[in-house]
Amino acid sequence: DGGITQSPKYLFRKEGQNVTLSCEQNLNHDAMYWYRQDPGQGLRLIYYSQIVNDFQKGDIAEGYSVSREKKESFPLTVTSAQKNPTAFYLCASTLMGLSGANVLTFGAGSRLTVL
Amino acid sequence: DQQVKQNSPSLSVQEGRISILNCDYTNSMFDYFLWYKKYPAEGPTFLISISSIKDKNEDGRFTVFLNKSAKHLSLHIVPSQPGDSAVYFCAASQGGSEKLVFGKGTKLTVNP
Repeated sequence: DGGITQSPKYLFRKEGQNVTLSCEQNLNHDAMYWYRQDPGQGLRLIYYSQIVNDFQKGDIAEGYSVSREKKESFPLTVTSAQKNPTAFYLCASTLMGLSGANVLTFGAGSRLTVL
Repeated sequence: DQQVKQNSPSLSVQEGRISILNCDYTNSMFDYFLWYKKYPAEGPTFLISISSIKDKNEDGRFTVFLNKSAKHLSLHIVPSQPGDSAVYFCAASQGGSEKLVFGKGTKLTVNP
């Protein structure tokens, strides 16, 4: 089955620690994204990547870092510089260059709690 | 500045009746609009989309209406079912961009 796998599902972190969230897709999608969801908020874009070894900041990139060394993988590191890291993190992907609406496929999410 | 707005945080309807979820946008350059459905602790799933050159798109029980002059779209679910209870996000994109801008979501509860 094709899809997006995010791990871990739940993660606890002490203040001052960096943590990396994994996102792997086997859909052969070109573009990958990281969104953050907070209660009562929409999905806010952290980073996105349209091609291997290239990525762009989204609306709330401060305190986060990413890499795109392989087409199928787009890990997100939440650094100690992120002031409010407790949130639900969603990874998504899509094919590029198609006409029509850009339909993102989402993973199941990772919930990060900072203690 | 919020470019996509869902002004109703929640909506409650009876099973079998119509659910109408609303979305407003401010960027006139948006040309595709999408609706996603999300259950707690899961990722959003795509429901239906509409291009700015259309004013209506149907898929089974789901219909999306677009009013460009008012910068407003709505999602109609008829008939509503308890399994439709979820958070619904409106999203928009501009000019073939791979970036989507999301609203804050509306929590729909369908009561049996």
